[in-house]
Amino acid sequence: DGGITQSPKYLFRKEGQNVTLSCEQNLNHDAMYWYRQDPGQGLRLIYYSQIVNDFQKGDIAEGYSVSREKKESFPLTVTSAQKNPTAFYLCASSIGTAGTEAFFGQGTRLTVV
Amino acid sequence: GESVGLHLPTLSVQEGDNSIINCAYSNSASDYFIWYKQESGKGPQFIIDIRSNMDKRQGQRVTVLLNKTVKHLSLQIAATQPGDSAVYFCAEIRRITGNQFYFGTGTSLTVIP
Repeated sequence: DGGITQSPKYLFRKEGQNVTLSCEQNLNHDAMYWYRQDPGQGLRLIYYSQIVNDFQKGDIAEGYSVSREKKESFPLTVTSAQKNPTAFYLCASSIGTAGTEAFFGQGTRLTVV
Repeated sequence: GESVGLHLPTLSVQEGDNSIINCAYSNSASDYFIWYKQESGKGPQFIIDIRSNMDKRQGQRVTVLLNKTVKHLSLQIAATQPGDSAVYFCAEIRRITGNQFYFGTGTSLTVIP
């Protein structure tokens, strides 16, 4: 089945540690996105990538980093510089042209302990 | 600033009644709009979309209305069922910004049996 997969589903991190969230898609989509979701709030864009080896900062990129070495993969690293990393993280992908929907993964819930 | 927002953060309806979820947007350059449904702990799922050159689109038990004059989008769910309880997001896509997705805050719909 085609789809977008995030792993792990739950992740715990100690303060001061970096942690990487995985996002893989086999939909042959060009565009991929990372969003952060806090309770009672909407989705905020962290980073997005329209094509391999290229990515752009979203609205809340500080404390995060990404890479796009392969079309199907867009990992997100939450660095120690992110002061409030506990949140639900969603990865999405789309064909990349207007008039097409974004497909979401099931999310990763990151908790700092 | 530009935003995609929702009029009501929560909505409770009786099972069998119709539900109407509203969304306001501020950018008249948006090309495409999507409604997503997000169940607790899961990623958003596509419900229905509408292009900016349309006023109405119907799906199975759902209808989306677009009023470009007042920049308003609504999602109507007919004969609401308990399985419709979720958070509903509207999203707009702007070709001018590279087909980025902009999400609203979300409305939490609760269906009362």
